[in-house]
Amino acid sequence: DGGITQSPKYLFRKEGQNVTLSCEQNLNHDAMYWYRQDPGQGLRLIYYSQIVNDFQKGDIAEGYSVSREKKESFPLTVTSAQKNPTAFYLCASRLELRGNTIYFGEGSWLTVV
Amino acid sequence: GIQVEQSPPDLILQEGANSTLRCNFSDSVNNLQWFHQNPWGQLINLFYIPSGTKQNGRLSATTVATERYSLLYISSSQTTDSGVYFCAVERRAAGGTSYGKLTFGQGTILTVHP
Repeated sequence: DGGITQSPKYLFRKEGQNVTLSCEQNLNHDAMYWYRQDPGQGLRLIYYSQIVNDFQKGDIAEGYSVSREKKESFPLTVTSAQKNPTAFYLCASRLELRGNTIYFGEGSWLTVV
Repeated sequence: GIQVEQSPPDLILQEGANSTLRCNFSDSVNNLQWFHQNPWGQLINLFYIPSGTKQNGRLSATTVATERYSLLYISSSQTTDSGVYFCAVERRAAGGTSYGKLTFGQGTILTVHP
């Protein structure tokens, strides 16, 4: 099936540990995105990437890191520097960086205890 | 950055009723999309509608870009329409291109009772 796959769906981690969320797409899309959603809130952009080996900070990049070594993969690391990491994380992609439909994965729930 | 405001924040309907959701934005846009987030968190594309009107079954949307708003109409609502509806916009940069970032509104929570 074509689409965007995020894993794991649910993740529990202790405070102070780094966590990496996986995002893989087989849509041959150039652009990929990571958003964060807090309960009752809209989505906020963490990082985005237009092309392999290139990525840009979004509105709330502090405490997060990404890599884009392959076109189909855009993993997000939530570092111990992120002060409030418990949230729902959504990965998205679209054909090009600008001006067309964006598609989302099913999301990953991260709980830090 | 661009501001996106959605109204109403909450909406409760009886099955079969019609509704209109509104999205106002503060700057020129190249892209506007409507999404439905289901109870499991999945975001479903409803419309890609930077301007004009589109219809898909019981749903339709209109964007008046010059007046910086978009409307989502839901007719004959069903319980499966419940969830959160988001509007997201992509700001237009100088020269007509865009920055490539989608900014989301806070959403409208729709509850449809049987």
